[in-house]
Amino acid sequence: QKEVEQNSGPLSVPEGAIASLNCTYSDRGSQSFFWYRQYSGKSPELIMSIYSNGDKEDGRFTAQLNKASQYVSLLIRDSQPSDSATYLCAVEDRDDKIIFGKGTRLHILP
Amino acid sequence: DTGVSQDPRHKITKRGQNVTFRCDPISEHNRLYWYRQTLGQGPEFLTYFQNEAQLEKSRLLSDRFSAERPKGSFSTLEIQRTEQGDSAMYLCASSPTHSGGGHEQFFGPGTRLTVL
Repeated sequence: QKEVEQNSGPLSVPEGAIASLNCTYSDRGSQSFFWYRQYSGKSPELIMSIYSNGDKEDGRFTAQLNKASQYVSLLIRDSQPSDSATYLCAVEDRDDKIIFGKGTRLHILP
Repeated sequence: DTGVSQDPRHKITKRGQNVTFRCDPISEHNRLYWYRQTLGQGPEFLTYFQNEAQLEKSRLLSDRFSAERPKGSFSTLEIQRTEQGDSAMYLCASSPTHSGGGHEQFFGPGTRLTVL
C-alpha cells in the first residue's frame, strides 16, 4: 500500500514567521511531487510542483525534495493570515497515479 | 477557458438511489481524474482517464461505482444503490499530458453528495 504521510496539525505560526510543512512517502519510485492548498469548503489548488532533488522557490514558497530520504517539504516565508488553510502533499507514483496525504492544517496567528 | 467545472454542485439523495455526476475538464487536457474526499481526509483516488481510456480504477471502489469519458472530453461518475457511506465531496481534476515532468492537476469545485 503506497502511502503519503503528513502531520495533521494544526500547526500554528505567528504572522511574518516561516511555516514549515513536511511530508514523507513510501514509494521509492515516485518521480513527481506536488503541494496543494485547500481552504475550508473549497477544492485543492496547486501551489508548487517539484521533480528533482533540492529546492525550488516561487515567491514566498519553497519546496524541498530529498528522494534518498523520501521526504518533501514546503516552506512559507513571511506567513500571512491568508495562508491559513490545509496543505496537501501529493505524490505521483510510477504508474502515474497521484496519491494525496491527509493534509496539514496551518493556522497563521495575527 | 473557465477551468474545470462539475455538475451538480450539491446532491441529496435517498439510500438505494442512483446518482450521476458530470465533469468538464479544461479544454485540451488529456487526463481526467476522479477523487472522493471526506472531512479531515485528503482526496482519495477513484479512477483516471487518458483521453477516453480508463487507465486505472481504485481497488477500494466497489462495483457500484462506474466512470466514463466517452469522447475524451467530459466524464461522468455514476454511483448505483447509494449507501450512507458514499456521502462525501466528489472531486474532478484534469491535467495536460505533459507538464514539465509530472501531471499537475487542476481541480473543479466538487460535487457534495449527501445520502440520507
